[in-house]
Parts: sequence; structure tokens; C-alpha cells
Amino acid sequence: KAGVTQTPRYLIKTRGQQVTLSCSPISGHRSVSWYQQTPGQGLQFLFEYFSETQRNKGNFPGRFSGRQFSNSRSEMNVSTLELGDSALYLCASSHGLAGGIGQFFGPGTRLTVL
Amino acid sequence: EDKVVQSPLSLVVHEGDTVTLNCSYEVTNFRSLLWYKQEKKAPTFLFMLTSSGIEKKSGRLSSILDKKELFSILNITATQTGDSAVYLCAVGGGADGLTFGKGTHLIIQP
Repeated sequence: KAGVTQTPRYLIKTRGQQVTLSCSPISGHRSVSWYQQTPGQGLQFLFEYFSETQRNKGNFPGRFSGRQFSNSRSEMNVSTLELGDSALYLCASSHGLAGGIGQFFGPGTRLTVL
Repeated sequence: EDKVVQSPLSLVVHEGDTVTLNCSYEVTNFRSLLWYKQEKKAPTFLFMLTSSGIEKKSGRLSSILDKKELFSILNITATQTGDSAVYLCAVGGGADGLTFGKGTHLIIQP
């Protein structure tokens, strides 16, 4: 089976712009979770989608949003980018909800905000 | 607020040594505790633990969960340089999906 794929792998944006990241889960997986990883804060949960519905949401501002499509692919959008949004954004998929089963991570999208 | 604390934050040992990594947690509605290994890329799944006292084992790695004392340990025996990585502990169950600790940075010296 193909693993979790994320596009693009690298992205450079400037403050104030917006960005959309994409994640394709492992075939058959219905849950997709998004995480932000920075050296200072570690891995922080953004949100989780299951069957096109947001099931959980972390403590991030409303500029961070996401959605999931009927084929389980997910997108994450960040509007009005700030310098502090520079991070590795990881997506992970699982059969069931994230907390009840092991997740498999994609390679991540490295976002740099200038 | 859910919390996961890992210790030590970093550890340097020699090849062949045995290491024990710790993870303590405070979460509502605990469902599972997961261990991941992260090298210079995305985390890879190691173990998922849901029941107290049952050891999970994979080669030289093993892990156990204590739900009464709210902690887990990850043991690595006969360490090799390829074990050098950041080991992440995550707990699932609260409203915030998976909560990750900051990780233990393990360095194995030849």
C-alpha cells in the first residue's frame, strides 16, 4: 500500500498570504489528522477529520482551517500567514479515530514564512 | 488541559547500552498511549498501548503502560547507532486528538 502523501513538500510564502496544503491518506483510512511541528513547541495537534467531519480541534486560531473530501483526502488552509507559522506541517492517517489506533505520518510540508 | 511529559529530554549512551525512556501523562478520557520514532523525517509508529501491565515487544524495543500511575516506559536493549532519534510519546483520548510530549533526543555513540 502507498503511504501517506503530502503536497507540496516545501513552500515559501510571505506574511499576509494564505496557503493550502494537501494530504492523501493511506487507502482505506478514514481519519486524517494535522499537526504543526516546531523546534520550540514540538508536535501540536491542529485538527482531525473523520468521514468528512471535523471530530477534534486543537488550540489554534481560526486562521487555521481544514476540510476532508469524500475520498478521505484532506486539505489544510492557513490564511493571513505570520512569521510564527513557519513549521513542518504533518498529516497522519488511521483507520479509526486517532486516539484509538496507531497513526501513520506523511513526510510533511515544510512551510517558511518570510 | 491534557499534558504529556517525557524524560529525559536528551540522552547520550554508548552502543550496546540499555536505555529507558519515560512518559507521564494527564489526559481526560484516556484511550491509548503511542510511541513514535522520529529521525530526520516524519515520525514512524512503534507501539500502541491501551492496557496496564501488558508489555509490547518488537525486537530490541519494548514498552509497558501503568494506567494507575499514569506513565509508560520505552526500553531499548543492546542499542545501536541506528537507534539514534527523537522518541515521541503521545496520548489519545481527550478532545484534542493526540497530545504529544516534547520527545527524548537519544544519541547512541559508537
